[in-house]
Amino acid sequence: DIQMTQSPSTLSASVGDRVTITCRASQSISSWLAWYQQTPGKAPKLLIYKASSLDSGVPSRFSGSGSGTEFTLAISSLQPDDFATYYCQQYNSYPYTFGQGTKLEIK
Amino acid sequence: EVQLVESGGGLVQPGGSLRLSCAASRFSTFSSYEMNWVRQAPGKGLEWVSYISAGGSNIYYADSVKGRFTISRDNANNSLYLQMNSLRAEDTAVYYCARCVAVPATECYYGMDVWGQGTTVTVSS
Repeated sequence: DIQMTQSPSTLSASVGDRVTITCRASQSISSWLAWYQQTPGKAPKLLIYKASSLDSGVPSRFSGSGSGTEFTLAISSLQPDDFATYYCQQYNSYPYTFGQGTKLEIK
Repeated sequence: EVQLVESGGGLVQPGGSLRLSCAASRFSTFSSYEMNWVRQAPGKGLEWVSYISAGGSNIYYADSVKGRFTISRDNANNSLYLQMNSLRAEDTAVYYCARCVAVPATECYYGMDVWGQGTTVTVSS
């Protein structure tokens, strides 16, 4: 199975900050990586697919990059709604696997 | 707006069974979409559970549920199912159904783009 490791596990930031979250795969997954946002009690929401493609309706302050084994999610100017938990997920091969999550907290 | 609604969760004793359902509405054609089950244990991260292709011919499971859970779909009734047998305490979680869109030769090309609100399964005596 492909292991997905996110860092950091927790991130403290302020409104307006730019933040980045890293996701590493235990083997190459090409660009078959998605990023999801989840707020407490809600279902995950797709932000980015194929490593860098923004899902429909997702604000342009979100961006994704990377290929192979190292990927990054960046949020350019944090808004209050962005404080949530973020997960990466590989869909290169089964079983699909998620990172452990990064909780983005208000500083 | 497309919608997925899960049902069938509840409290069950270890060793028991449950059948989860996921009803799709406002889909242009449910039978065109691949579907997944994903779960989240209390306070934990997301865990992919199972996948079924649009026509039902390709099915995959996580090792943690293989041999105990069965995914199926009824395209005529826009529904997805998860039959869960031999349930264990570690199966306690919120279970989400999630849609994928395939393109030729590539499953889930766009990731899991539509999710239900989840149904809670508690396995306890």
